[in-house]
Amino acid sequence: GNSVTQMEGPVTLSEEAFLTINCTYTATGYPSLFWYVQYPGEGLQLLLKATKADDKGSNKGFEATYRKETTSFHLEKGSVQVSDSAVYFCALLPSGNTGKLIFGQGTTLQVKP
Amino acid sequence: NAGVMQNPRHLVRRRGQEARLRCSPMKGHSHVYWYRQLPEEGLKFMVYLQKENIIDESGMPKERFSAEFPKEGPSILRIQQVVRGDSAAYFCASSPPSQNEQFFGPGTRLTVL
Repeated sequence: GNSVTQMEGPVTLSEEAFLTINCTYTATGYPSLFWYVQYPGEGLQLLLKATKADDKGSNKGFEATYRKETTSFHLEKGSVQVSDSAVYFCALLPSGNTGKLIFGQGTTLQVKP
Repeated sequence: NAGVMQNPRHLVRRRGQEARLRCSPMKGHSHVYWYRQLPEEGLKFMVYLQKENIIDESGMPKERFSAEFPKEGPSILRIQQVVRGDSAAYFCASSPPSQNEQFFGPGTRLTVL
């Protein structure tokens, strides 16, 4: 079946540190991959996406590359800010666009000044 | 263009009561999805609806839960005879036809006493 596994948190970093949040997936065919961010008390916001192998999604300094050979979609940012503190969710949409997003369990990021 | 609207934002019910959660999709979006987020967990798919049709309800509990998206008006997620285990955040998302990106609302946080 389809599933997403993220690294466990919380991840605590100092401001301007390099961020990596690992995400691996299991899926048949060619899913689309997403990173969503959830700030405290709010809904999810789409951060970036990639729809085919070797695509790189990027937004607000965050990047993730769709790696089919390693079934991964790791999130990276070169220099985090305190305002990046949030919960980050990796998700996949199975091929065929069934509408059923499969989410990882979420990774909490805490950035300290 | 207003985002996805959900109301109420917070809902408190006693065991055995009914809970009705409303979702108004973004303008031009005819596809609605409902997800549930239990504490400290990721989001779990519940149901996917188009206007007047249920497309996929594979994530819905077989009893007490129902969803609709009428021709006019918001989508409704209805939970009858609530139990404490129904306490969670319920998120609605919407998308236009033929697009895989889902836009999320702020969620309804249901507390069952």
